[in-house]
Amino acid sequence: AQTVTQSQPEMSVQEAETVTLSCTYDTSESDYYLFWYKQPPSRQMILVIRQEAYKQQNATENRFSVNFQKAAKSFSLKISDSQLGDAAMYFCAYRREGAQKLVFGQGTRLTINP
Amino acid sequence: DVKVTQSSRYLVKRTGEKVFLECVQDMDHENMFWYRQDPGLGLRLIYFSYDVKMKEKGDIPEGYSVSREKKERFSLILESASTNQTSMYLCASSLGRGQTNPTLGYTFGSGTRLTVV
Repeated sequence: AQTVTQSQPEMSVQEAETVTLSCTYDTSESDYYLFWYKQPPSRQMILVIRQEAYKQQNATENRFSVNFQKAAKSFSLKISDSQLGDAAMYFCAYRREGAQKLVFGQGTRLTINP
Repeated sequence: DVKVTQSSRYLVKRTGEKVFLECVQDMDHENMFWYRQDPGLGLRLIYFSYDVKMKEKGDIPEGYSVSREKKERFSLILESASTNQTSMYLCASSLGRGQTNPTLGYTFGSGTRLTVV
């Protein structure tokens, strides 16, 4: 079975600085999708960024970018110019091609220090 | 604004009660999911449904059942609530295989925090 591991339960960063959240996954599949979700205190899960495994280019969404290392099965999220509104739980998730369900990691709680 | 709506934000129930958690989506999504969120464990899939009256067990279905009589509504049922079912429950929906852009992620509800006493 596929598993997703986030080894950092908590992270903190100074406002305006850059932080990287780690995610590794285990799969024998070659075609799959990876996601980062943000869950702020409001509890509403928001899709931050997604990556298709067949694409070599790392996905980028404004201040959010990923470092996708397929061979290493690593999918880290970089947040540049951190803002107070970035404070949240962040979940990494995996979905194999053809499957309907997402497999989530344990989550990383990100704190932004003003 | 499209959304997934969970009927209760907070719920307190007694041990042994039958509990219904309701979820409604207005996006015509084929897939609907129930996850349970616990600290240090992330989100774990309880059940999902890919069509009306169709369901599949997730990773932790024990003690739960589901109902999907209409496309837009997916209910999670705790047949006899127990204290170890105290948790945050998240409903989500997504496009299905028969719909366009199935690579998109889920749309989530805001969660129901259930306490069983």
